[in-house]
Amino acid sequence: NAGVTQTPKFRILKIGQSMTLQCTQDMNHNYMYWYRQDPGMGLKLIYYSVGAGITDKGEVPNGYNVSRSTTEDFPLRLELAAPSQTSVYFCASSTNRVREQYFGPGTRLTVT
Amino acid sequence: EDQVTQSPEALRLQEGESSSLNCSYTVSGLRGLFWYRQDPGKGPEFLFTLYSAGEEKEKERLKATLTKKESFLHITAPKPEDSATYLCAVQGPNTGNQFYFGTGTSLTVIP
Repeated sequence: NAGVTQTPKFRILKIGQSMTLQCTQDMNHNYMYWYRQDPGMGLKLIYYSVGAGITDKGEVPNGYNVSRSTTEDFPLRLELAAPSQTSVYFCASSTNRVREQYFGPGTRLTVT
Repeated sequence: EDQVTQSPEALRLQEGESSSLNCSYTVSGLRGLFWYRQDPGKGPEFLFTLYSAGEEKEKERLKATLTKKESFLHITAPKPEDSATYLCAVQGPNTGNQFYFGTGTSLTVIP
């Protein structure tokens, strides 16, 4: 099993550009999550999904969108990138909401 | 508001010098407390889940314990490869599907 994979590993965006961060898991997990991690801050939940076709906002959803058309994939869309979105983004999955989450390797995004 | 606080922020230990990391929380009706290890430039790696006060879990040199207000990650005779940031996360009935993460403890074990 590859677990949770994320692409790209690194990306530099100009202000106002858009991009999609890809996340795929091969563990057949229903629950998937997107977090951002900033220096000195805990992981903050952006969006999550409890199954294909079902998504919901987390703690910091502004400026982001998600979709979940399959169990395996959970892309995160950034529209009109802003410097405040400079961060490391992690995707995670779990079997259910009270079980451990498995994290991908992360995407380091810089918006300048 | 649910809060998770980890201490200390950073800890330097000599190889073999045992110590403990603390995670205190204010979540009412805890549903789960999770410990993760994060190496630089990588995603968090799951270590333990604790569900109720009094529960303990062990893995190699690590032992996690849970009370009604806090959890400890005890590190016995650490080795340099134990150097990492250790993250604590909690979930309660008011957090919905969300986990709340602490800011972590950065552990450095010196040979």
